[in-house]
Amino acid sequence: GDSVTQTEGQVALSEEDFLTIHCNYSASGYPALFWYVQYPGEGPQFLFRASRDKEKGSSRGFEATYDKGTTSFHLRKASVQESDSAVYYCALGETPGGNYKPTFGKGTSLVVHP
Amino acid sequence: EAAVTQSPRSKVAVTGGKVTLSCHQTNNHDYMYWYRQDTGHGLRLIHYSYVADSTEKGDIPDGYKASRPSQENFSLILELASLSQTAVYFCASSAGIYNNQAPLFGEGTRLSVL
Repeated sequence: GDSVTQTEGQVALSEEDFLTIHCNYSASGYPALFWYVQYPGEGPQFLFRASRDKEKGSSRGFEATYDKGTTSFHLRKASVQESDSAVYYCALGETPGGNYKPTFGKGTSLVVHP
Repeated sequence: EAAVTQSPRSKVAVTGGKVTLSCHQTNNHDYMYWYRQDTGHGLRLIHYSYVADSTEKGDIPDGYKASRPSQENFSLILELASLSQTAVYFCASSAGIYNNQAPLFGEGTRLSVL
């Protein structure tokens, strides 16, 4: 079945560091790809999407480029802030059998130290 | 404003008891989903629905039932709650395949089974 594999566990950075969270997917079709962010006590919030090869999605300084060749959608930010501390989820949306069924990764916890 | 509202926000249940979690959306979305969140497992799909009066099994449906009496409402039912069902549950809605819509999440329900 469809699956998403992202950087496991926790990523700890200092303010102004460069962030990369890896996301690779496995899907039979041509899925849409998403990034979400979740703050403590809240539901996941949609960050941005990409729907075709080489398309770049971006929001709030975060960005990722859809790469069908390497089946990847890595999240990057040039300079993180303490307020970026949260859990980040990579997800894919596909339609096996015609029904829209989003699949999420296990999440990556980002901790940014001042 | 688009919204997904879950109730209750938290619940303590006894083992073997019946639990019903409710979700209401005002987005006119066809698709609704129930996800379970556990540390180390991320978001896993339990049940989903793409039309009223019909539900589909997700990736981890065992021990759960779902009900979609109207487009706006989607319930998750634990007929015989077990300790292993202690988790945070999220409801989400989506327009589905149109424009590769990303799911919109509610705030979550924290369920503790004792």
